[in-house]
Amino acid sequence: DVKVTQSSRYLVKRTGEKVFLECVQDMDHENMFWYRQDPGLGLRLIYFSYDVKMKEKGDIPEGYSVSREKKERFSLILESASTNQTSMYLCASSPPRGPLHFGNGTRLTVT
Amino acid sequence: DAKTTQPNSMESNEEEPVHLPCNHSTISGTDYIHWYRQLPSQGPEYVIHGLTSNVNNRMASLAIAEDRKSSTLILHRATLRDAAVYYCILRRNFGNEKLTFGTGTRLTIIP
Repeated sequence: DVKVTQSSRYLVKRTGEKVFLECVQDMDHENMFWYRQDPGLGLRLIYFSYDVKMKEKGDIPEGYSVSREKKERFSLILESASTNQTSMYLCASSPPRGPLHFGNGTRLTVT
Repeated sequence: DAKTTQPNSMESNEEEPVHLPCNHSTISGTDYIHWYRQLPSQGPEYVIHGLTSNVNNRMASLAIAEDRKSSTLILHRATLRDAAVYYCILRRNFGNEKLTFGTGTRLTIIP
């Protein structure tokens, strides 16, 4: 079975801190995605990557950056966390055109 | 990007079939129709996908309209464990892999 692992289930950070959310997949998938999920807004795509060192902006990239130095790892970076970035963050991976496999999410609270 | 429209919520009785509709009137000829579901406190999981023909797997069936402007996910015999949010999305068969989820349909199963 494909496994997508997000490093933390819950995270609490202070406003202005630099935050790293890590995601690792074990199926050699080319594509990786970061979404955030908020009540009433569904899942919104922040960034995605289709290869090592490649990235594309999603629908809401402002305030975020990403890093993909190795195929199995995709990191989401909040350069200076703000309270409006309090959310559930979901990572996913997929082969090209194939089904997405999601992690269980990281619930980030910024105080 | 082609969009999908789903009802916000639906209810169904346990052990009865459930038909979850999705409209995608701007679908292009090479878009695949994917369905995912999200159980409480988990990331979304893949359910089924199709292009033109109806599809069946162990989880569900997917019925696709002849003009492809709508589709229906069919759960043949709903159980309490099928209570979840169901998402219908379109996935291009070429080019940009940007995948947008909407707010989905929250399915409640009545015992």
